[in-house]
Amino acid sequence: EPEVTQTPSHQVTQMGQEVILRCVPISNHLYFYWYRQILGQKVEFLVSFYNNEISEKSEIFDDQFSVERPDGSNFTLKIRSTKLEDSAMYFCASQGRPEGDTQYFGPGTRLTVL
Amino acid sequence: GQNIDQPTEMTATEGAIVQINCTYQTSGFNGLFWYQQHAGEAPTFLSYNVLDGLEEKGRFSSFLSRSKGYSYLLLKELQMKDSASYLCAVRSDYKLSFGAGTTVTVRA
Repeated sequence: EPEVTQTPSHQVTQMGQEVILRCVPISNHLYFYWYRQILGQKVEFLVSFYNNEISEKSEIFDDQFSVERPDGSNFTLKIRSTKLEDSAMYFCASQGRPEGDTQYFGPGTRLTVL
Repeated sequence: GQNIDQPTEMTATEGAIVQINCTYQTSGFNGLFWYQQHAGEAPTFLSYNVLDGLEEKGRFSSFLSRSKGYSYLLLKELQMKDSASYLCAVRSDYKLSFGAGTTVTVRA
C-alpha cells in the first residue's frame, strides 16, 4: 500500500541553525501538508500546498518557515533559524483529491532544538 | 476560530464498547475525520463523515450531526491494541483542525 515517507526520523540541531525536513508524498497525490505536534499537545496545521504554491498557512507558519517541492517527488519544510519552541514532531501529509478524500500522514520527524 | 472538544481520557474493558464524543464549532466545514494515534507515532486514518448519519467500518463506526456540531466514534469488541489516542479533526478549506485527543486505555 502506498505511504508517505519522511526523513530524517529524528533531527537534533542547535538554536539558530537551519533545518530542512523532507517528505515523499504518495505518488499520485496533489495536495500536501505540514503539521506539527509539540509533545503532549494537539496536532497543529502549519501549511497546505497545491500546484506549486501555498494554499493556506497558519499563524505558526511565519517568515522563518518555507516549503518547496523541488522535484516531482519531494516536499520539504525549511526552518531558517530554529528556536527552542520549534522542538516538536513534524508530520507531512498528502491527499489525492480536494473533496471526499483523506489526508494520509507520514511517520514524522522529531525535531529537537538545543 | 476553531473549537473542537473531546474527553481527555476513557477506560474500558477488553471486549466492551466505548463511545468517544466530539463537539465542534468551526468556521467552515467539509468533513469530520477520526484518526488513531499511538504514542510517538503518526495519526492513522479511521473514518470520515461529511453527511449526517452513521458510517460503519468493521469494529469502528462514526456518526455525524452537522446541525448539532457533534460526532462520535464507536469502538466495538475492544482489543488491547486499541489502547491509543483518538483524534477528532474537522476539515475546512484545505486544512484539518484537530481536537486534543482522547486517550483510551483498554484493560484486561
